Amino acid sequence: QVTLRESGPALVKPTQTLTLTCTFSGFSLNTAGVSVTWIRQPPGKALEWLAFIDWDDDKYYTASLRNRLTISHDTSKRQVVLTMTNLDPLDTATYYCARSPFSGSRCFDFWGQGALVTVSS
Amino acid sequence: SYDLTQPPSRSVSPGQTVDITCSGLQLGDRYVCWYQQKPGQSPLLVIYQNSKRASGIPERFSGSNFGNTATLTISGTQALDEADYYCQAWDATTEHVVFGGGTKLTVL
Repeated sequence: QVTLRESGPALVKPTQTLTLTCTFSGFSLNTAGVSVTWIRQPPGKALEWLAFIDWDDDKYYTASLRNRLTISHDTSKRQVVLTMTNLDPLDTATYYCARSPFSGSRCFDFWGQGALVTVSS
Repeated sequence: SYDLTQPPSRSVSPGQTVDITCSGLQLGDRYVCWYQQKPGQSPLLVIYQNSKRASGIPERFSGSNFGNTATLTISGTQALDEADYYCQAWDATTEHVVFGGGTKLTVL
């Protein structure tokens, strides 16, 4: 059974760094073709892709946030971690992690429940 | 950057068929996925690789992708299909995942 669960702070102050953890089970990120991604959704707005990490440790970032994002994988803990620096109130959103089982299409078949992060002083 | 365009809203009567479109340059050359999202819930994969239904998705959902337009078709629409629908593609040139702006489907 594939599951993903996001965890992290619910409230972050502007200019601080956000660290989000995606803990997954039911699959291995060492399997060829598999990747884990981070996607966010501001309240009432559309989905926005942020970053993903492949089974071979290749990493991809959205261009607009490339300088602020870092994605990493802890194999032993079955976790994918996303850090975002210099937070702004516009970064207030629900942050999701999701799995893609096939690198050719990058469709996300399992999602976490999401973690709402509010950026406010 | 590569952009995907969806109509902001669509409405349909119960039992009727509705198409939700997603437009992008040479979109037919890419794989398209469709997601359904209901209020307060995570997105749910409905269609992958243009036309394949995800596990557990009813047969009334179908997808196609030709030229510059991908289409999600819901036949015999039910009240429980009321949701936001997002298309998504992978742009191998820029190595970016791209989402459409979403379409709010209302079942009247």
